[in-house]
Amino acid sequence: EIVLTQSPATMSLSPGERASLSCRASQSVGISLAWYQHKPGQAPRLLIYDTSIRATGIPTRFSGSGSGTDFTLTIGSLVPEDFAVYYCQQRSNWPPRVTFGQGTRLE
Amino acid sequence: EEQLLESGGGLAQPGGSLRLSCAGSGFTFSSNAMSWVRLVPGKGLEWVSTIFSGGSTYFADSVKGRFTISRDNFKNTLYLQMNSLRAEDTATYYCARQGGKGAIVYWHFDLWGRGTLVTVSS
Repeated sequence: EIVLTQSPATMSLSPGERASLSCRASQSVGISLAWYQHKPGQAPRLLIYDTSIRATGIPTRFSGSGSGTDFTLTIGSLVPEDFAVYYCQQRSNWPPRVTFGQGTRLE
Repeated sequence: EEQLLESGGGLAQPGGSLRLSCAGSGFTFSSNAMSWVRLVPGKGLEWVSTIFSGGSTYFADSVKGRFTISRDNFKNTLYLQMNSLRAEDTATYYCARQGGKGAIVYWHFDLWGRGTLVTVSS
């Protein structure tokens, strides 16, 4: 089973600053990696899929990069509504399995 | 507006059962693979199960043999039957739509509900 490790567990920044969140896979996942934002009491929100494609309606300050085992979600200039928990996610080919990282809390 | 709305959560005893439902609206429910994902307190998101539009099903090892996923495309509703519940099944359960249509299934989740809380305790 592929394990996703996110770092740091918690990131403390201020509005206007740039955030870089890391997700490392225990083995290569190609480019099949997605990122989600989750706020308490709300539905999780897809931000990025296939490493770097922004989902519909996602602002351009969110960008994704990487390949193989090392991936990064970058938030260009933080605004107050960006403070949330972020998860990376991948799937294995066969049998189909989905795994999430443990999350990074951006505060 | 595309929406998913979960229901059916609550308190169950260890060894007991619950059935969760998820009503979809605003999109062609029958065309998409659908999944359940849970948020375990203190741990994060965990994939539970997926059902394709054609009916094929997949489960996490932690729930295999205890949980069943099904769908009623006439009612635009997804179900999760949870049997032999354990304390470690305590979580908020989310219904999620997978990207793609029909035979093309993408393994990311582009629409989520707000979740329903399941607590397993005596």
